[in-house]
Amino acid sequence: GNSVTQMEGPVTLSEEAFLTINCTYTATGYPSLFWYVQYPGEGLQLLLKATKADDKGSNKGFEATYRKETTSFHLEKGSVQVSDSAVYFCALSDESGGGTSYGKLTFGQGTILTVHP
Amino acid sequence: DAGVTQSPTHLIKTRGQQVTLRCSPKSGHDTVSWYQQALGQGPQFIFQYYEEEERQRGNFPDRFSGHQFPNYSSELNVNALLLGDSALYLCASSWRTGLNTEAFFGQGTRLTVV
Repeated sequence: GNSVTQMEGPVTLSEEAFLTINCTYTATGYPSLFWYVQYPGEGLQLLLKATKADDKGSNKGFEATYRKETTSFHLEKGSVQVSDSAVYFCALSDESGGGTSYGKLTFGQGTILTVHP
Repeated sequence: DAGVTQSPTHLIKTRGQQVTLRCSPKSGHDTVSWYQQALGQGPQFIFQYYEEEERQRGNFPDRFSGHQFPNYSSELNVNALLLGDSALYLCASSWRTGLNTEAFFGQGTRLTVV
């Protein structure tokens, strides 16, 4: 079945540091890939997505590239802020390339990011 | 637009009891999915409802059941509660027939089984 593996956490950084959160996946077919963010006390919010190989998703300074050859979708940000402190989830959807996320989402275990001033 | 709303926000139940959680989807959305998020884990897909029918189901026992109403709102029912059912239950809504539509999540219901 489908699965998503995220780097072991938590991650603690100083403000303006570079962020990488690793994500690898196992799936049949051609899944769409997502990063969701969960701020304290809130629900999940879609951060960015990519629907096919070599696509780059980006939002709010965050980026991730869909790498089919390495089955990866690593999240990066060049300069983190205190307001980026949250839990980040990598996820895949088993729709084939449509980019919709209405179907079953398979999530990784989440990575807690804490950014200090 | 109120977004996805879930009720209640918190509740405490005793082992063996039954519980019903409720979800109102975002305006314009017709599909509701339910997820269970145990502490420190990622959400796990329970099932999805569209046109008042269960369309997909994850690896959860029959104690977990649901319903979708004509106004697209949904309920999640859990019977014979176990301590292991303690978790955050998330509802997500989307527009099934739309292309590239995002699934919006509610803030969840925190269920504690004692």
